[in-house]
Amino acid sequence: DAKTTQPNSMESNEEEPVHLPCNHSTISGTDYIHWYRQLPSQGPEYVIHGLTSNVNNRMASLAIAEDRKSSTLILHRATLRDAAVYYCILDGGATNKLIFGTGTLLAVQP
Amino acid sequence: GAVVSQHPSWVICKSGTSVKIECRSLDFQATTMFWYRQFPKQSLMLMATSNEGSKATYEQGVEKDKFLINHASLTLSTLTVTSAHPEDSSFYICSASRPPLNEKLFFGSGTQLSVL
Repeated sequence: DAKTTQPNSMESNEEEPVHLPCNHSTISGTDYIHWYRQLPSQGPEYVIHGLTSNVNNRMASLAIAEDRKSSTLILHRATLRDAAVYYCILDGGATNKLIFGTGTLLAVQP
Repeated sequence: GAVVSQHPSWVICKSGTSVKIECRSLDFQATTMFWYRQFPKQSLMLMATSNEGSKATYEQGVEKDKFLINHASLTLSTLTVTSAHPEDSSFYICSASRPPLNEKLFFGSGTQLSVL
């Protein structure tokens, strides 16, 4: 499975945008880029996913580099409820089996 | 949206006993479910892939005789921790896949197991 690299932690202020980076230099052409987040003592929650084009949904936006070797999850206005560990995961698509890395712990300051 | 229900939310048991955790897909049929475990301040570790009607596929290093997985129907997978020991204390999480592939996984809320 191709590996992703994320910063261990990031901080943001409430109501400001947050850009969470993810590097995946060994991504293959069929790998989808998935983002999940996990609040304390809960199961992960789907955030967004994409293949080549940028994606938007009600939770966030996903910006994918043209060479697909990196991507950025964008939270447009962080709230205290967005404080969580954010995982960037590649999925080759054949099995839907997700291998989680260490993720980024996002702290949101009021 | 699709929901995955996991029970119990937490369980405390004595060393040597067995514990069963259930994972149900409430409004869709899940041909594939996944079981993870998570230790404090660590990431999720995939334990096994559960396929309806067939034997589970275990990840390297996971004892299949200790962690019994049954996926007897399209909406239910169970994980049984047999002869539990304190080192099995962990947060266990299931997830379910709904066709088509490459779409999102739906996760249960997790089960905190504490073995005394």
